[in-house]
Amino acid sequence: AQTVTQSQPEMSVQEAETVTLSCTYDTSESDYYLFWYKQPPSRQMILVIRQEAYKQQNATENRFSVNFQKAAKSFSLKISDSQLGDAAMYFCARGSQGNLIFGKGTKLSVKP
Amino acid sequence: EPEVTQTPSHQVTQMGQEVILRCVPISNHLYFYWYRQILGQKVEFLVSFYNNEISEKSEIFDDQFSVERPDGSNFTLKIRSTKLEDSAMYFCASSDSTGGVRWDSYNSPLHFGNGTRLTVT
Repeated sequence: AQTVTQSQPEMSVQEAETVTLSCTYDTSESDYYLFWYKQPPSRQMILVIRQEAYKQQNATENRFSVNFQKAAKSFSLKISDSQLGDAAMYFCARGSQGNLIFGKGTKLSVKP
Repeated sequence: EPEVTQTPSHQVTQMGQEVILRCVPISNHLYFYWYRQILGQKVEFLVSFYNNEISEKSEIFDDQFSVERPDGSNFTLKIRSTKLEDSAMYFCASSDSTGGVRWDSYNSPLHFGNGTRLTVT
C-alpha cells in the first residue's frame, strides 16, 4: 500500500525553540516528490517545503528544513526559531503520477 | 502572487441535490486537481485533469462526480446527487508544466485554493 504516516497527532513547542515533525512513507517507486503543507485555521493549504527523491541534499527554506532518509523512507520537518504564526496542522505528502498522498497531519501548537 | 480561487467558500445543500463547486486556477497552469478533506481527516485526492480530460481519478471519484473546464479560466466539480457523507472541505489545486509528460507537473508544486466547505443536510 502507498501510505504516508505521521505518528505525532499533536506537538507543542515553545516560541523561538526548535521542533521536528516526523513522517514516514511507503512506496515502490524510485522517482517521487515529498512535500510538507501547512494548514492554518483558515483551512488554506500552504506549501512549506518540498524534496525531490533523487536529490540527496536536504531541502531548506528559511527556518524550515527537512531530514530526508530515502533508504528509511523518512522525511521529517524541522522548524527552527518557532513563531506563533507557525501554529497549524502540518501535512506530509508524497507525490507521483499526478496525485498527492497525504498523511493524517500533525497539529502544532506554539506556546508564547 | 497568483492564487487559485474557489467559490463559494461555504455551500449548504440538501441531500439528493446537485452541487457545483467552482475554481479558477492560476492562469498559466495546465494541470488541475480536486481534493477533499472530511472534517478531522486527511486530505484525499479525487481527480486530476489535463488537456481537457481526466488524467487520473481515485476510488472516491465515482459516477456521481464529474469535472469540467467550461471555458479558459474555470474548473468545476459537480456532484450530481449529494449524500451526507459528501460533506467535506473541497480543495482545488493547479500546477504548471514545462513539458507534455505527466511527471513534469512536479516541476512546480501544487497550488491550492482556500477550499469550499460543503455541508449536506
